[in-house]
Amino acid sequence: AAGVIQSPRHLIKEKRETATLKCYPIPRHDTVYWYQQGPGQDPQFLISFYEKMQSDKGSIPDRFSAQQFSDYHSELNMSSLELGDSALYFCASSLGLGTSGGGIRNEQFFGPGTRLTVL
Amino acid sequence: LAKTTQPISMDSYEGQEVNITCSHNNIATNDYITWYQQFPSQGPRFIIQGYKTKVTNEVASLFIPADRKSSTLSLPRVSLSDTAVYYCLVGGESSYKLIFGSGTRLLVRP
Repeated sequence: AAGVIQSPRHLIKEKRETATLKCYPIPRHDTVYWYQQGPGQDPQFLISFYEKMQSDKGSIPDRFSAQQFSDYHSELNMSSLELGDSALYFCASSLGLGTSGGGIRNEQFFGPGTRLTVL
Repeated sequence: LAKTTQPISMDSYEGQEVNITCSHNNIATNDYITWYQQFPSQGPRFIIQGYKTKVTNEVASLFIPADRKSSTLSLPRVSLSDTAVYYCLVGGESSYKLIFGSGTRLLVRP
């Protein structure tokens, strides 16, 4: 079965540079979520989109922005990168307000992540 | 969103049953309980979800007492590949973001 695709898988940037992470959700999924997981930390919710509109916002720095496009893929844009931005960035997708097979509510399917290293 | 409390770590041996209990004293009426599993450097993976009583699927069982202030994830006959971090999440239909607390790091020994 098709899974969530993230690119690139690894990214190395210098401080103050910019980075763009891409996420391609599972076909027919209309909701995309972004999570950040620092070394030894638990995943932290950043932002989500439902039907191309921002649906929720978490602890996302102002230096970061994101959007969901007409084909439902999403991009996370990160500017003025800092050393503390080094982390795994996961994208997840779901059927949004509906339920998946078996009546599971809001089952989110995670991608393999993008490992961002800021030097 | 209800706060959850889980043991930081647990050790087990192959073939044993593992039970991980999560406390969520402030669970709301419309909240459901979901467990995710995460292997190192991989995204979390849905394991099981329930609202009350007992739910069982091909990988785990979830026990929820009548007051719903706690839940127990039961993994039957664990193997080395079950070594992972297990997260208990509580949420309702009004919020779709997943709030990960401190999960339980399960180590399965041979």
